[in-house]
Amino acid sequence: GAGVSQSPSNKVTEKGKDVELRCDPISGHTALYWYRQSLGQGLEFLIYFQGNSAPDKSGLPSDRFSAERTGGSVSTLTIQRTQQEDSAVYLCASSLGGEAFFGQGTRLTVV
Amino acid sequence: DQQVKQNSPSLSVQEGRISILNCDYTNSMFDYFLWYKKYPAEGPTFLISISSIKDKNEDGRFTVFLNKSAKHLSLHIVPSQPGDSAVYFCAAKVNFNKFYFGSGTKLNVKP
Repeated sequence: GAGVSQSPSNKVTEKGKDVELRCDPISGHTALYWYRQSLGQGLEFLIYFQGNSAPDKSGLPSDRFSAERTGGSVSTLTIQRTQQEDSAVYLCASSLGGEAFFGQGTRLTVV
Repeated sequence: DQQVKQNSPSLSVQEGRISILNCDYTNSMFDYFLWYKKYPAEGPTFLISISSIKDKNEDGRFTVFLNKSAKHLSLHIVPSQPGDSAVYFCAAKVNFNKFYFGSGTKLNVKP
C-alpha cells in the first residue's frame, strides 16, 4: 500500500529480551518520526530523522533505546533489555514537511 | 516540557450539535498546527492543519481557529456525528522539526 507500514503489529516479549520494531515510511518522505503511547497517555516523542541530518534523539527515554534509518527509508527502533514500563504502542510517522502520516503502530507488551 | 496542552481529557456532545476541542501552546515559534483523530487500535489520522499566518481554516464540517496572541487553537466540528467519536490530538511544530502533541481529548458524540 501507499501508507506507512509497521511490523510487527503486536509483539509480546519477556522482560530482559531485545526487540526490534520496523517502519516502512511513505516512499519519498524525507522525515520519519517515532512516538509511543502508553496506556491512557498522550503521544510521547522518541526520535526524528530528517533527510541526511543527524537525528533528533532527545526523546529516547534511556540508552536501551536506539533507532536507525537505512538509506533514508526503512527505520528500525531497537529496545534492549526490555522492561515492563516499555509496554506501549509504538507509532511511526513520515512526512514531506507538512502533515505527518502515521502507521497503525506496534503494540509491545513486556511480560 | 509540555509545550502543547489539551486540558480537557474528555468531551460529550449530542449528535447534530457543535463539538469544540481546545488546545493551548507555550512556544511562540510554532508556525504550523494540526489536528489528528485516533480510533482505538489505529494510528492517528490527519484531520486538518493551519499555518501561523492564518487564523482560520475550514474543511467541510471541520474548522480550525488559531489565536496567536492567546496561544490557543481550537477545532470545531459542526454538525457532530457519532462517527466522530474518537480521541483528538492537537499538534504543533516549528518549521522542519518534530511535532509536539497534546495529551488528547476523547470526544463522545451521543446519538
